[in-house]
Amino acid sequence: GDSVTQMEGPVTLSEEAFLTINCTYTATGYPSLFWYVQYPGEGLQLLLKATKADDKGSNKGFEATYRKETTSFHLEKGSVQVSDSAVYFCALMNTGNQFYFGTGTSLTVIP
Amino acid sequence: EAGVAQSPRYKIIEKRQSVAFWCNPISGHATLYWYQQILGQGPKLLIQFQNNGVVDDSQLPKDRFSAERLKGVDSTLKIQPAKLEDSAVYLCASSQGLRGGLETQYFGPGTRLLVL
Repeated sequence: GDSVTQMEGPVTLSEEAFLTINCTYTATGYPSLFWYVQYPGEGLQLLLKATKADDKGSNKGFEATYRKETTSFHLEKGSVQVSDSAVYFCALMNTGNQFYFGTGTSLTVIP
Repeated sequence: EAGVAQSPRYKIIEKRQSVAFWCNPISGHATLYWYQQILGQGPKLLIQFQNNGVVDDSQLPKDRFSAERLKGVDSTLKIQPAKLEDSAVYLCASSQGLRGGLETQYFGPGTRLLVL
């Protein structure tokens, strides 16, 4: 079945460090790919998305590129801030509009 | 625009009791989802409605969980009887019901359930 695998956490970085959170997927056809973020004490929010191969989603300095050849959608940010501390979830939506989430990666950014 | 509303926000019950959660999606959204998020894990889809019809309920434990979406708007999720392992946050989300990869889900704040 369809699934999403993302890197295990927790991840701890210093402010202004480079961030990569790996995400790979398994799906038939051409799914849409998403990154959601959950800040402490808040609900899930859409961070960015990409709907077709080679699309790049971007928001708040975060980027992710839909790589069909490697079935990946890695999240990157060039310089993290303390306010980026949160749990990040990779997700896919298949051609039947069904969503599958990864297990989440906790990020802590220290000053 | 009002977001997805859920109630109650918190619920504590004893095992074998029953509990119900309510969700009001964003106005005009055709698709409604219920997820279970156990602490430390990602959300797991329990059931997906398109208007008032069920699209996917393959991961819903049907011996104890039930859900309905009368009139294609509000939805309720019920657990009867509850087990200890049902302790989780129950998330409701809605989306417009578009096809072609254009869909975005919007999540409610969730209902945190503790079964003792």
